[in-house]
Amino acid sequence: GQSLEQPSEVTAVEGAIVQINCTYQTSGFYGLSWYQQHDGGAPTFLSYNALDGLEETGRFSSFLSRSDSYGYLLLQELQMKDSASYFCAVREVDSSYKLIFGSGTRLLVRP
Amino acid sequence: EAGVTQFPSHSVIEKGQTVTLRCDPISGHDNLYWYRRVMGKEIKFLLHFVKESKQDESGMPNNRFLAERTGGTYSTLKVQPAELEDSGVYFCASSQDYADSYNEQFFGPGTRLTVL
Repeated sequence: GQSLEQPSEVTAVEGAIVQINCTYQTSGFYGLSWYQQHDGGAPTFLSYNALDGLEETGRFSSFLSRSDSYGYLLLQELQMKDSASYFCAVREVDSSYKLIFGSGTRLLVRP
Repeated sequence: EAGVTQFPSHSVIEKGQTVTLRCDPISGHDNLYWYRRVMGKEIKFLLHFVKESKQDESGMPNNRFLAERTGGTYSTLKVQPAELEDSGVYFCASSQDYADSYNEQFFGPGTRLTVL
């Protein structure tokens, strides 16, 4: 089975950079995804790492190291609207498309 | 293009009652998933439909939960009878049928279920 660990809460100031880590124990997976969820809203896809390395999408970047069982989401130039919960997720290597999620990190951006 | 929609957005019921949640996936998406987030914990998989067939229902907690997807379009998730521990946010997601390993899932806003 899979388990993904994330910090429960992170606080940062507007304009800063924040890194949200995700460590995992897995027997095999296709890649690491990141989702953002605002309170009361739908989880929204942010990024996906199939291979080791850094993927950049605007202010957001995501990193994966399979050898270290570790990934992170990097948010730059933080804005107040970035306050939300962030989830890492993996898809198991089997016939199912189900996502296994981490417990989520609540990011609070302060002025 | 409309996203995934769910109804109702909130439901408050008493223990022992029945509740039915509905999900309308993005048009053309063969894959439909149900997930649940309980008490601020991780989002947990419940089951996966491919069109009208249940592909994986390994996450269904017990036989009080029944999911259907007649005709391969919208899906319903019925909880009968509801228990206190069923409270949480139920998310539906859908995706297209990609042959490769990546399969982005589009989530609905969820139904917040409170069992009293």
